[in-house]
Amino acid sequence: EDQVTQSPEALRLQEGESSSLNCSYTVSGLRGLFWYRQDPGKGPEFLFTLYSAGEEKEKERLKATLTKKESFLHITAPKPEDSATYLCAVGGGRRALTFGSGTRLQVQP
Amino acid sequence: KAGVTQTPRYLIKTRGQQVTLSCSPISGHRSVSWYQQTPGQGLQFLFEYFSETQRNKGNFPGRFSGRQFSNSRSEMNVSTLELGDSALYLCASSLANLGDGYTFGSGTRLTVV
Repeated sequence: EDQVTQSPEALRLQEGESSSLNCSYTVSGLRGLFWYRQDPGKGPEFLFTLYSAGEEKEKERLKATLTKKESFLHITAPKPEDSATYLCAVGGGRRALTFGSGTRLQVQP
Repeated sequence: KAGVTQTPRYLIKTRGQQVTLSCSPISGHRSVSWYQQTPGQGLQFLFEYFSETQRNKGNFPGRFSGRQFSNSRSEMNVSTLELGDSALYLCASSLANLGDGYTFGSGTRLTVV
């Protein structure tokens, strides 16, 4: 059974204070590891897809990396508008996404 | 381009009733998946439809069902509602396969009283 564990559950940063979110996973036949951002009352917003170990992708202040067992979402010099819940999901053999419980990020000015 | 549209946005139903939720995918997307999101369980997969056929199903009781029409629009139905069915129901569309990535709608917030 595919499993995804995200840590920490919650993270509070000062504006400009860089940090990383962790996503550990077990999956049979990785079809992709996905990062989403979710704001309160809204659906998840797609950020990145990573397909193989060693792959990295960047978008503004966010950078996602992938190893065979985990993925990291690095946030460089965050701003208050980066406050959201960040969700990690894996697509495996069962042809559906398995999500982690998310990391609630709060960036204070 | 238009995103994934879910209607209605909010719904309040009474225990024992049934409900139908609607999802219009991004134009050209043929795969539609449904997820339930609750504070306790997070996002859980309900089912996926591709070209009007259910291609995959999660571990939910038979009270939860769905269908997809020839224009790729999808509906999900929940019969005999229970209090525990209160959740945000999210629809996601993709071109064809899991690796294409999903685009989610804003969801339908269902409250069962």
